Amino acid sequence: GQQVMQIPQYQHVQEGEDFTTYCNSSTTLSNIQWYKQRPGGHPVFLIQLVKSGEVKKQKRLTFQFGEAKKNSSLHITATQTTDVGTYFCAGLPDSGAGSYQLTFGKGTKLSVIP
Amino acid sequence: ETGVTQTPRHLVMGMTNKKSLKCEQHLGHNAMYWYKQSAKKPLELMFVYSLEERVENNSVPSRFSPECPNSSHLFLHLHTLQPEDSALYLCASSQDEDPWMNTEAFFGQGTRLTVV
Repeated sequence: GQQVMQIPQYQHVQEGEDFTTYCNSSTTLSNIQWYKQRPGGHPVFLIQLVKSGEVKKQKRLTFQFGEAKKNSSLHITATQTTDVGTYFCAGLPDSGAGSYQLTFGKGTKLSVIP
Repeated sequence: ETGVTQTPRHLVMGMTNKKSLKCEQHLGHNAMYWYKQSAKKPLELMFVYSLEERVENNSVPSRFSPECPNSSHLFLHLHTLQPEDSALYLCASSQDEDPWMNTEAFFGQGTRLTVV
């Protein structure tokens, strides 16, 4: 079955430093989504990428979808304490049964040291 | 509020108890999910229902029994659980659409389950 690997599992950064998490799928994706889960909260949708090579920005967050539509990254510039949480990627398979079945990576837990 | 409501928020149950988790979505979505989140396996998919029909069961033990009476409601019936089943159980819904449309999952706040 489809697998989505996400690295690193944990990341500790000093406030103001940049942060990147990477996501790799074993199969081609039709789209990839990113979610953020604050401590004690539930995952909240951030963005969806659909096109090969697509890049989207949300303020200090930059999301990329690879040319082969099998990998993605989330980059945060100049982290702030409000960025603390776990970031998950989730891939939607390109074809076959289960097109609704998002497969989540294990997430990257970001800690920001003030 | 995400439009997905889970009850109860917290549940403590003994290994011989029977309890049910409830999820309700007000978004008009046609797919609903149960996820288990623990320290060892974040966001582990348990069940998927699409148009009220179960379409995915990721080898979940039979002590977990889902029920989807309509497209807005989802239940997870629990019986004879083990302490290792203690986790956060998250419900989510989405619209099974062309992937170019918005297919994002909306999560409920979860039920924190402790089995003693």
